[in-house]
Amino acid sequence: NAGVTQTPKFQVLKTGQSMTLQCAQDMNHEYMSWYRQDPGMGLRLIHYSVGAGITDQGEVPNGYNVSRSTTEDFPLRLLSAAPSQTSVYFCASSYSDGGGNAETQYFGPGTRLLVL
Amino acid sequence: RKEVEQDPGPFNVPEGATVAFNCTYSNSASQSFFWYRQDCRKEPKLLMSVYSSGNEDGRFTAQLNRASQYISLLIRDSKLSDSATYLCVVNPNNLFFGTGTRLTVIP
Repeated sequence: NAGVTQTPKFQVLKTGQSMTLQCAQDMNHEYMSWYRQDPGMGLRLIHYSVGAGITDQGEVPNGYNVSRSTTEDFPLRLLSAAPSQTSVYFCASSYSDGGGNAETQYFGPGTRLLVL
Repeated sequence: RKEVEQDPGPFNVPEGATVAFNCTYSNSASQSFFWYRQDCRKEPKLLMSVYSSGNEDGRFTAQLNRASQYISLLIRDSKLSDSATYLCVVNPNNLFFGTGTRLTVIP
């Protein structure tokens, strides 16, 4: 098992550019999520998905889009990058309990994004 | 009010010391509680779940106090390898992470 994989590891963007951060998991987890981690702010939930075809907003969704066409993949799209989106992005996956809530999360290695 | 609040530290302790971290949460409906460990420039990894009755894993003990809405982590006989940031995590529906408490164990 590769677990949770993320690409790219590092990315530099100019303001206004768009890009997609890739995330894949091979553990057949229903629940997948994207977080950003900023100094002093901890991990904040951007978007999450409880299964293929289902996505929902987290705490800080503005400026990001997601889709979940398969169980394995959960890409995060930045529509028009801004310097405020400079951060470390983590994708995570887990089983969900009977109520669609996340259980123990397994994290990918992260993507470090710098927006100039 | 933040969902989860932690003392950011840093905690600098000598090898062999006992150190305790506390964390408070705001949502009384929270069902699951965890401690994660994050090494510098790495992803968070689960350290241990926290159960209502308290639980122990080697040198690590986690406690939950639902009445006061806090969880704690106790590390006994600290090792150099315990140096990391410890994240308190609470799950009322999605996972909410604390900002983390940084621990440095000094030789």
